[in-house]
Parts: sequence; C-alpha cells; structure tokens
Amino acid sequence: EPEVTQTPSHQVTQMGQEVILRCVPISNHLYFYWYRQILGQKVEFLVSFYNNEISEKSEIFDDQFSVERPDGSNFTLKIRSTKLEDSAMYFCAIPRDRDNYGYTFGSGTRLTVV
Amino acid sequence: GIQVEQSPPDLILQEGANSTLRCNFSDSVNNLQWFHQNPWGQLINLFYIPSGTKQNGRLSATTVATERYSLLYISSSQTTDSGVYFCAVAYNDYKLSFGAGTTVTVRA
Repeated sequence: EPEVTQTPSHQVTQMGQEVILRCVPISNHLYFYWYRQILGQKVEFLVSFYNNEISEKSEIFDDQFSVERPDGSNFTLKIRSTKLEDSAMYFCAIPRDRDNYGYTFGSGTRLTVV
Repeated sequence: GIQVEQSPPDLILQEGANSTLRCNFSDSVNNLQWFHQNPWGQLINLFYIPSGTKQNGRLSATTVATERYSLLYISSSQTTDSGVYFCAVAYNDYKLSFGAGTTVTVRA
C-alpha cells in the first residue's frame, strides 16, 4: 500500500487568506486526486490531475482553487481567498498501484477558517 | 454521478458482537472500496472489492455487482473498530462517489 503524506495536518487561517495544502506520495504518480470532507458529511470529489493537467473537476472546484505539481514529486492544492465554508478535511489520493486497484488516501489536512 | 446509500446510519455494538453494514449503489461500478475513518480523521482502506468476497482478519466483505450492493461484516467487534465506515464506488471515470457512512460505536 503506497504511503501518502499530507502537510500540514492542521491549519487555522483567517478568512480571506491564501492557504496551500501539500501532498507527497512515496513514489512517482501521474494521477492524483483531491477530496474534501466538511465535518460530519460525506467525502466529496474536488479535482483529478493527470500528467500535470486537470483532467476533471467538480462544481465545488471554482476559481478560488488551483492545483499544481511544483517540483515533480509533491502536489499542492491552493485556496486563494478562504471562506468560512472552506473549513473541512482535505484529502489527496493516488492509485494504489499501476493496475489502479483502488485508491490510497493521504492522512488529511484539517483546515479551519476563522 | 453514481448514488451510494449506506445503512444503517448508526450502529451501537457491545464488544464481541457481530454486525453487517450495507452499501447500495445506483449504477454499474468497476471500483468499490470500503474505508474506515478513525477518530483522527484518517481514511484507512479496508477492501478493494468491485465483486466477490474477501476476508481480512475479523473483517470480510462481499459485493454482488449484478444486484448493486456490497456488505461489510465485522465479527467479534472490538472498541478499536469504532469510527465511521464509508463505501465508495466509481465507474471508468476514476473519481470516487462516497456514501454518507455508517457510524459504529463499540462499547466495552
């Protein structure tokens, strides 16, 4: 099972501030995904990223969000101007292996916007 | 997208009891996973099971793809089994659709 580390584990930010969430898979992956879970609710798909391009995004993923692969090994999710409703747990996910037998999720970043 | 319904929403068990969690989905799938969300919020993969039956220790799962449901069995439950169990499915587009989860509380 591949490991995926997310940093920070918890971030508190003021409304209107920019935040960058990071995801570091232990091995090289072309695919990765970001999901969000508002407290007490189901996990929701945000965006999929393949070979340095967005392949699909949900209606949640508006212009305030962006994803990047800044140095070839880690992936980032940026929220430009945070709102109170962005408070959630954010997960990145990667395929478990080359044959894509399911996904491994990162440890998550709990974002609190105050 | 594919709709996923999980039942029951909440389950309270005495330690040592057995239980069955259910996941119904609205369309064909070629990916189905069961996850356990622990108290720290981490999503731990339990099974990748788009069809058939698998067992891992006290946990087992069965998916009947033609009837669009999956079952997760917990036997001899322990307090460490507490948490939220999620079923998630996908078909070809690779993004997972999650159910609302079953919250399991195991009492000593």
